Amino acid sequence: AQRVTQPEKLLSVFKGAPVELKCNYSYSGSPELFWYVQYSRQRLQLLLRHISRESIKGFTADLNKGETSFHLKKPFAQEEDSAMYYCALSGGGGYQKVTFGIGTKLQVIP
Amino acid sequence: NAGVTQTPKFRVLKTGQSMTLLCAQDMNHEYMYWYRQDPGMGLRLIHYSVGEGTTAKGEVPDGYNVSRLKKQNFLLGLESAAPSQTSVYFCASSYSVGSTDTQYFGPGTRLTVL
Repeated sequence: AQRVTQPEKLLSVFKGAPVELKCNYSYSGSPELFWYVQYSRQRLQLLLRHISRESIKGFTADLNKGETSFHLKKPFAQEEDSAMYYCALSGGGGYQKVTFGIGTKLQVIP
Repeated sequence: NAGVTQTPKFRVLKTGQSMTLLCAQDMNHEYMYWYRQDPGMGLRLIHYSVGEGTTAKGEVPDGYNVSRLKKQNFLLGLESAAPSQTSVYFCASSYSVGSTDTQYFGPGTRLTVL
């Protein structure tokens, strides 16, 4: 079974402070990991995925297979980063079953 | 390109009433999904479809039915609504069978069952 754990429901940081949104997963094979973001009154959208090894809006995430983690990081938080962030895992299996975490609300304090 | 659209945006039902939520996508995607989003529980997959004419159960299928008669549409039905089905419902679609593919989400439907 595949599982995604986001231990923090709410994370509050001051503007300019570093951000780390935690994500741990459980999966027996080689997973694909994603971060999705939902800004206020907007639809859920892909932020980044580990296979692309990209930085989007200053965010990065590294897949650590030893610790089974895929934490999302940004060195300096901006007010516009305030949103709900969901970590997601796709385990394949012939179809694209995606398991989402419960989400972490990031609140950037001015 | 409208992407993924959902109808209606809001709905209030009484217990026992039925309704259908419509999801449409204009990206020629094969895969379509219905999720529900509840506080503290994140997104949970209700049903999904891997192509026209096919549907499959997800994590929380009870009380819901789906149909995919046309590739671009994915309907979610509630035959007899219950208060436990009060939620925000999201439809999503993706192009390929690959596990690396992005899901594109609709704006959501907020359903309240009294």
